[in-house]
Amino acid sequence: KAGVTQTPRYLIKTRGQQVTLSCSPISGHRSVSWYQQTPGQGLQFLFEYFSETQRNKGNFPGRFSGRQFSNSRSEMNVSTLELGDSALYLCASSLDSPVDTQYFGPGTRLTVL
Amino acid sequence: DAKTTQPPSMDCAEGRAANLPCNHSTISGNEYVYWYRQIHSQGPQYIIHGLKNNETNEMASLIITEDRKSSTLILPHATLRDTAVYYCIVRVATGGSEKLVFGKGTKLTVNP
Repeated sequence: KAGVTQTPRYLIKTRGQQVTLSCSPISGHRSVSWYQQTPGQGLQFLFEYFSETQRNKGNFPGRFSGRQFSNSRSEMNVSTLELGDSALYLCASSLDSPVDTQYFGPGTRLTVL
Repeated sequence: DAKTTQPPSMDCAEGRAANLPCNHSTISGNEYVYWYRQIHSQGPQYIIHGLKNNETNEMASLIITEDRKSSTLILPHATLRDTAVYYCIVRVATGGSEKLVFGKGTKLTVNP
């Protein structure tokens, strides 16, 4: 069974731009969670989607948004990029709940210049 | 905030057992303990989880104390490829949904 895939793997943007990251979960998984990882703050929960609905949200500004499609694929968007948004963005999928075993993708490394 | 406390770093000799401790003194009766690890710049990898009984799988063993206030992850024969940051996580329930909260973890270095 294929694992979680994330595209693109690397991305360079400039301040003020927006970016969209994509995540394809493991087949049959309906829950998709997103995390941001930085050296200073570690792994922080962004949000979780289930059946195309946001079910849980972390403490991030409204510039961070996401959505989930009917095939469980998910995208996250960051608008008006800031230097501090440079991070590794990780997607994880699980069967029904984020406390089922979560399987992580390789991440997207975003650099904001 | 994470509900667990782990030492920031540990060393282990290759071939020896690595014992990684975790304190979770405020754990509730229905909360599970999960362990993940993250090898440099990769996504975290699930290792094992448990409620109150000891658990073992092909990767590791999880020992949970009887009062459930602490646990130990055991890698029986550590290899260089086990060098990683190990996260002990207690699931946190918020508003009817649930999420995993990662702390800072333990950086395990396996030495030849």
